[in-house]
Amino acid sequence: EAGVAQSPRYKIIEKRQSVAFWCNPISGHATLYWYQQILGQGPKLLIQFQNNGVVDDSQLPKDRFSAERLKGVDSTLKIQPAKLEDSAVYLCASSLVAFLTFNYGYTFGSGTRLTVV
Amino acid sequence: DAKTTQPNSMESNEEEPVHLPCNHSTISGTDYIHWYRQLPSQGPEYVIHGLTSNVNNRMASLAIAEDRKSSTLILHRATLRDAAVYYCILRDVEENTPLVFGKGTRLSVIA
Repeated sequence: EAGVAQSPRYKIIEKRQSVAFWCNPISGHATLYWYQQILGQGPKLLIQFQNNGVVDDSQLPKDRFSAERLKGVDSTLKIQPAKLEDSAVYLCASSLVAFLTFNYGYTFGSGTRLTVV
Repeated sequence: DAKTTQPNSMESNEEEPVHLPCNHSTISGTDYIHWYRQLPSQGPEYVIHGLTSNVNNRMASLAIAEDRKSSTLILHRATLRDAAVYYCILRDVEENTPLVFGKGTRLSVIA
């Protein structure tokens, strides 16, 4: 099966600019996650979607970050305006129906590496 | 979330077995033990998971202590491709919380 697709692979922007990341999950996976991974740390959850509804966005900095999942398939994560501390890898993951995920693993994309200068 | 403790780094020789430890002394009865690994420049990938009994799959084995307060991921013959950061994660099946990653163990494999 095709994996989780993410684009772009790399992005360099200046602080205060805007940026958007795109994710296409595995077909049929109802649950989609966005994680932020700062260099040297483990991934940190930003937001979780179940179909096109938000399940958990408690760690999403909502003053500058936004995310949507239209039609319960593709998702976009946006940062506006970007700060230097937003430099990180942004990972998208998907899984089958959320309440079953203890039996099913997450599948991650390769991520988008964002550098804010 | 229940927490896990892993060594920051480990080293292994190629083609030798590797035992990656994880302590989780506050584990609850409904916590599954999950292992993921992250190869360089890639997202994490699922390795194995278990509840009480030891588990085997084509990638690795998971040995779980009888009191479930610790577990060990076993790679039977390390290859250079196994060099990665390995994450031990507890996940409560009843609470359905997302995966919470710590810093993991960075495994280096020497040829």
